[in-house]
Amino acid sequence: QKEVEQDPGPLSVPEGAIVSLNCTYSNSAFQYFMWYRQYSRKGPELLMYTYSSGNKEDGRFTAQVDKSSKYISLFIRDSQPSDSATYLCAMSGAGGTSYGKLTFGQGTILTVHP
Amino acid sequence: GAVVSQHPSRVICKSGTSVKIECRSLDFQATTMFWYRQFPKQSLMLMATSNEGSKATYEQGVEKDKFLINHASLTLSTLTVTSAHPEDSSFYICSARTGPAADTQYFGPGTRLTVL
Repeated sequence: QKEVEQDPGPLSVPEGAIVSLNCTYSNSAFQYFMWYRQYSRKGPELLMYTYSSGNKEDGRFTAQVDKSSKYISLFIRDSQPSDSATYLCAMSGAGGTSYGKLTFGQGTILTVHP
Repeated sequence: GAVVSQHPSRVICKSGTSVKIECRSLDFQATTMFWYRQFPKQSLMLMATSNEGSKATYEQGVEKDKFLINHASLTLSTLTVTSAHPEDSSFYICSARTGPAADTQYFGPGTRLTVL
């Protein structure tokens, strides 16, 4: 079993739709949860960062963490064609040798069509 | 700020040759850099943690004699793929950390390695 599971999609939605992206994980030591966006043949860029359980909103993006269920989500409202990319969830432990080391999900390919 | 560059962006080499990839933090000093490998339609897999002035720490299953990492300065880490084989063909991405927190990693644009 992988430490982090993410549905690879692909996911195709019309412009303006609400997009829901999800990851599940098995390592209860994960405390930091991130969502990255990666365009084709580029490095990932950080979109959202949350610590422990809860919600965080930034513009059209909302990140949710439910540690009791080991489940995290990213919601994109009013999706735009420019949101078309691969979205990767990533997680990190709180201390020791795992601090700062990221474990990534497989990535979900999202296409928003006009 | 927090820009990370990689060079080259793409390299094609013959089987058996060695390839060096550079990772630079352009506007900050990074005591820690990370090297990842990403196969098509797969996730980023951490290969090693590179610390300035000390030996790199490799993840389980990564051959340290094959993937040589040097972090000679606070702004430069290099990954050398020695005696490359076609199965080493992949997208190699580095990241540099500006601080201790998990959200302080900034990624380079990646290097596409193709071994013929």
